[in-house]
Amino acid sequence: DAGVIQSPRHEVTEMGQEVTLRCKPISGHDYLFWYRQTMMRGLELLIYFNNNVPIDDSGMPEDRFSAKMPNASFSTLKIQPSEPRDSAVYFCASSGRDRGLYEQFFGPGTRLTVL
Amino acid sequence: GQQVMQIPQYQHVQEGEDFTTYCNSSTTLSNIQWYKQRPGGHPVFLIQLVKSGEVKKQKRLTFQFGEAKKNSSLHITATQTTDVGTYFCAGWSVSNYKLTFGKGTLLTVNP
Repeated sequence: DAGVIQSPRHEVTEMGQEVTLRCKPISGHDYLFWYRQTMMRGLELLIYFNNNVPIDDSGMPEDRFSAKMPNASFSTLKIQPSEPRDSAVYFCASSGRDRGLYEQFFGPGTRLTVL
Repeated sequence: GQQVMQIPQYQHVQEGEDFTTYCNSSTTLSNIQWYKQRPGGHPVFLIQLVKSGEVKKQKRLTFQFGEAKKNSSLHITATQTTDVGTYFCAGWSVSNYKLTFGKGTLLTVNP
């Protein structure tokens, strides 16, 4: 398996633009997580899905952020409109009941810069 | 809401010295996981602890879960330069099943 795939790896955009981050989880995993990492705030859980259904979105900063999981192999995190304070590394992670553990496998991340 | 405090924030050691990072949760945890993130990389799973008082070892790494399932520690014996990175704990709360990561401990090792 290729692991968790995220695209793009780097994104530079201007304030006010829409940004869409994409994630392909590991096949067979039933949990998918979106995280944001900054120096100031550390690693923050934004939202997670179980079997494509959003379970907890309390970490989503505000209405400008939205996440979808239309099927088991694809998820998006959208920011509209983007602001400079959204600059961060966004990680997607997936998890499944392997050996009784829900170990999270992280993707390589998308480094977002909003100018 | 649930908080997971991790200390210290930074730790610099000489190669061969020991290292410990501590994790404390404001709520009881169903389990706790530890991850390591190398500079410029992504978090990688190290271990999961589930039982009260559980101790697990991975070579030079020793992980403990407190009796009350509200705290945990990671101890590295005789650090090596390959141990450099940020170590995170992540706890699942029993009450509301929320996952919270600690802010991590950045370990640097002087060869």
